[in-house]
Amino acid sequence: AQSVTQLDSQVPVFEEAPVELRCNYSSSVSVYLFWYVQYPNQGLQLLLKYLSGSTLVKGINGFEAEFNKSQTSFHLRKPSVHISDTAEYFCAVKEVSGYSTLTFGKGTMLLVSP
Amino acid sequence: GAGVSQSPSNKVTEKGKDVELRCDPISGHTALYWYRQSLGQGLEFLIYFQGNSAPDKSGLPSDRFSAERTGGSVSTLTIQRTQQEDSAVYLCASSQREGGETQYFGPGTRLLVL
Repeated sequence: AQSVTQLDSQVPVFEEAPVELRCNYSSSVSVYLFWYVQYPNQGLQLLLKYLSGSTLVKGINGFEAEFNKSQTSFHLRKPSVHISDTAEYFCAVKEVSGYSTLTFGKGTMLLVSP
Repeated sequence: GAGVSQSPSNKVTEKGKDVELRCDPISGHTALYWYRQSLGQGLEFLIYFQGNSAPDKSGLPSDRFSAERTGGSVSTLTIQRTQQEDSAVYLCASSQREGGETQYFGPGTRLLVL
């Protein structure tokens, strides 16, 4: 079984500042890693994913994440946030082999203020 | 269609009534998932369909919950004798075998049980 920990339930930040949303996972097998974003009253939208290869993954809206296997982390970063980035961000993992569904973290609310 | 669609977008019902929630996956996606998103509970897996295989119902919280997937496409989640604790956003996602089985989510159905 896997588990995902998002250490911060809320992250307040000023517009144009950099941000990092933290995600740590626990799994006894290899996993794929995902970040999803949920804007108010909307479904989840895929931001980026790590399947294999380069550990630095770039996604939509200027976000990127780095897979660190030794630290079992997959932190999400953006160098300069906009008001429109205000949303809830979910980290998720899925086993590479066999069937499994996504295991989500509890989410981090990113609050961008002017 | 271009994405996963769900209907209705909002549903208000009285305690004890039955409700049906519908999901249209992305065309060609063989896998379909239902999740529930409640305040304070995060995202909970409910049920998973993959092709013609028997569904994985391990996440269904009680026998009042059931789901069908007809013709390998549209799915209906049914909640019988609704309770107030069933109030939540019900999210549907679909995926295909390739690409790490990345799940793409619909906008959700917001269910309120009075």
